[in-house]
Amino acid sequence: GAGVSQSPRYKVAKRGQDVALRCDPISGHVSLFWYQQALGQGPEFLTYFQNEAQLDKSGLPSDRFFAERPEGSVSTLKIQRTQQEDSAVYLCASSLDRGPNTGELFFGEGSRLTVL
Amino acid sequence: QKEVEQDPGPLSVPEGAIVSLNCTYSNSAFQYFMWYRQYSRKGPELLMYTYSSGNKEDGRFTAQVDKSSKYISLFIRDSQPSDSATYLCAMKKGGSQGNLIFGKGTKLSVKP
Repeated sequence: GAGVSQSPRYKVAKRGQDVALRCDPISGHVSLFWYQQALGQGPEFLTYFQNEAQLDKSGLPSDRFFAERPEGSVSTLKIQRTQQEDSAVYLCASSLDRGPNTGELFFGEGSRLTVL
Repeated sequence: QKEVEQDPGPLSVPEGAIVSLNCTYSNSAFQYFMWYRQYSRKGPELLMYTYSSGNKEDGRFTAQVDKSSKYISLFIRDSQPSDSATYLCAMKKGGSQGNLIFGKGTKLSVKP
């Protein structure tokens, strides 16, 4: 497809389970971002890749959160031993990093995680 | 204090009204300013993009940036029920790369 694709759209996990969220960015987009959006809040930055290099992971809330983009395209955000406070929508975005709107992020529809 | 402050609303206006949405920020390094629109259960989509200070107009939408006051605005003229959504301001420091910092978002409802 032409847009950023995320899966699963909805995930329910029991506390303590591991989850993996997938992001397929727009073809040719060099940069990929993960954001966490809690209910009623704006997106909060988690981590950023340029191709396969993870350039910034300062927003990851704990060492239970891990992201990878091994071949510079598809990315996976993994959350180990999920906690209730991890319940949120996880948004993936990609950007081209050139052209008139440099830095514009194109977002997927998000993966809504509910931890019971 | 967060780097970007935005009144979450909600804001309810009648159809045809002029809507004014605002954000303030504290980091003078921000140079790129954007407004995203987010419909319920959807990802944010870019509405307006401004570099540095000034105004930008696109149809019914006008974005203003006042770097001296660290204040940005989005105006919507002749508002429509289809404009009902959450509006997120976002900003970024200089350079083509790097993450956006978002406001909390203002939920707007336009009543027919």
